[in-house]
Amino acid sequence: SQTIHQWPATLVQPVGSPLSLECTVEGTSNPNLYWYRQAAGRGLQLLFYSVGIGQISSEVPQNLSASRPQDRQFILSSKKLLLSDSGFYLCAWSSGQVPTQPQHFGDGTRLSIL
Amino acid sequence: AQTVTQSQPEMSVQEAETVTLSCTYDTSESDYYLFWYKQPPSRQMILVIRQEAYKQQNATENRFSVNFQKAAKSFSLKISDSQLGDAAMYFCAYRSPHGQNFVFGPGTRLSVLP
Repeated sequence: SQTIHQWPATLVQPVGSPLSLECTVEGTSNPNLYWYRQAAGRGLQLLFYSVGIGQISSEVPQNLSASRPQDRQFILSSKKLLLSDSGFYLCAWSSGQVPTQPQHFGDGTRLSIL
Repeated sequence: AQTVTQSQPEMSVQEAETVTLSCTYDTSESDYYLFWYKQPPSRQMILVIRQEAYKQQNATENRFSVNFQKAAKSFSLKISDSQLGDAAMYFCAYRSPHGQNFVFGPGTRLSVLP
């Protein structure tokens, strides 16, 4: 069966520090991968998605970036964090070949910027 | 572009009673896929139920069922025999068969009263 791992679960970082959140998927190949941000009590904001290695689409201009160095690995990064980057970050995957399939989410990372 | 609307930011239901959460969407496509996700306080995103637009029969998963009205572009979720564990944010989501992205509604916070 397929599983998705996202880490760390919680992160506290000072303003101006770098960021690296990692997400890996097991049990499937060539998944679509997604990064979302969620403010407290709010909906999901799509940040990036990827349909293949090295292919990244950005939905929201910001100081964050994403990379997909391997088929089942998706990384969210920043060189210098801002206070506004605080939030809950969710990684997700879906099948690119079977559109009936839903998105499957990781457990999320709670990011606090001090 | 497709949009998803959930007009009820908050709802409450008495334990063991039935509640219906509303979702409407806007699309020009004739074939698509719809999903309801539950996000409890742990903030995990859990798939509740899915519906394929070409299927006329409403999907059912135990106490959860949908009322899919394609002409009205409506996809409501009915929770029967509500339990305390049903308290969560509920998100409606749309997926086009041609695109890679999922469009999420803003969510409805459901409280279950003992």
